[in-house]
Amino acid sequence: DTGVSQDPRHKITKRGQNVTFRCDPISEHNRLYWYRQTLGQGPEFLTYFQNEAQLEKSRLLSDRFSAERPKGSFSTLEIQRTEQGDSAMYLCASSGKATFYEQYFGPGTRLTVT
Amino acid sequence: AQSVTQLDSHVSVSEGTPVLLRCNYSSSYSPSLFWYVQHPNKGLQLLLKYTSAATLVKGINGFEAEFKKSETSFHLTKPSAHMSDAAEYFCVVSGMNTGFQKLVFGTGTRLLVSP
Repeated sequence: DTGVSQDPRHKITKRGQNVTFRCDPISEHNRLYWYRQTLGQGPEFLTYFQNEAQLEKSRLLSDRFSAERPKGSFSTLEIQRTEQGDSAMYLCASSGKATFYEQYFGPGTRLTVT
Repeated sequence: AQSVTQLDSHVSVSEGTPVLLRCNYSSSYSPSLFWYVQHPNKGLQLLLKYTSAATLVKGINGFEAEFKKSETSFHLTKPSAHMSDAAEYFCVVSGMNTGFQKLVFGTGTRLLVSP
């Protein structure tokens, strides 16, 4: 399968714990995006990487959130001191140089904070 | 600022009848517009895109959409619904205002297809 993959698919954690999600984009794609989707809403943009550089962050991304893409390939999204309001689906997408306007999404990681 | 408004949260059709999912957009500059579909437990899939070429855009699975600048609309249609079309559909607007493709999603329309 050459699509975008995300791991884990589901994560249940207790409030106050730290969690980390991983995204593996389509191999030749240099752009990577993170979105968050809450129940009944459309996805909301969180952050964007071009290669290893994080070029844009939404104001939704509080100080407890950090994202990295160390070698311009996979990316991680970490949430520290999780809160119940962090419960959501976290989506990763990637796009290539030639088709930068087409973002391909992974299946998402569903986070539940109890 | 860019935004999209999906006018219906739910649309119910019978199999074999036409589908119309409505979307209005707001953008301060020439937008790119997309429709994505989300099936349960699956990732978002791009149905079709408008990027300032032909105003009538054809996508996958028989869907199409027409960009109407005068009405600021980008409605999604399909002549004949299939049971497998039941899913959540998102209208999306984007623009290269900061050199990257930030997607702004609508709240979604759930399409229900009955036999």
